[in-house]
Amino acid sequence: AQSVSQHNHHVILSEAASLELGCNYSYGGTVNLFWYVQYPGQHLQLLLKYFSGDPLVKGIKGFEAEFIKSKFSFNLRKPSVQWSDTAEYFCAVKEGGGNKLTFGTGTQLKVEL
Amino acid sequence: SAVISQKPSRDICQRGTSLTIQCQVDSQVTMMFWYRQQPGQSLTLIATANQGSEATYESGFVIDKFPISRPNLTFSTLTVSNMSPEDSSIYLCSFEGGRDSSTDTQYFGPGTRLTVL
Repeated sequence: AQSVSQHNHHVILSEAASLELGCNYSYGGTVNLFWYVQYPGQHLQLLLKYFSGDPLVKGIKGFEAEFIKSKFSFNLRKPSVQWSDTAEYFCAVKEGGGNKLTFGTGTQLKVEL
Repeated sequence: SAVISQKPSRDICQRGTSLTIQCQVDSQVTMMFWYRQQPGQSLTLIATANQGSEATYESGFVIDKFPISRPNLTFSTLTVSNMSPEDSSIYLCSFEGGRDSSTDTQYFGPGTRLTVL
């Protein structure tokens, strides 16, 4: 069965530091890849997604992610984090053609002033 | 994009009882889904709610425990039946294919936080 791994469960950064959150998945076929974010007290929101084409995708609020097929990875990056980026971040994978989203365990990011 | 809401936002229930959670989208959507997020864990798909027919359940989830209805293209309910403390979780509804929304992307509701005593 499909599985998604997020190796960093808790990350603490200072403002202006660079961020990279890891995401690896197990499925060998075509995949659609997503990063969702949940700010404190808010809904789960879509941050960015990859379906095909340029493996470097840009999302909202300066986030980007790179799909590396050979590594089964879809890591999330931001060059300079802000205090308002404090949230929980979830990687999710959908097998191509299907509807089921498989989520990683999430990474709790805390940005300190 | 379409707006999705859930009721109740939270509830505290006694074991052995049942709770029905409602999910409403403000426009017709193609697909609706129900997820569970247990404490300290990730989101797990319970089932796909099919309009006018029985829901499609994922492995480990059964209709008797989690009956689902979807009477039209904007509304669905999830019932958590004969509850035990292990059912304490956040239950989330999501949809694909709504107004101004990508057909391949799921959008999530605010969730229902359930505590079973």
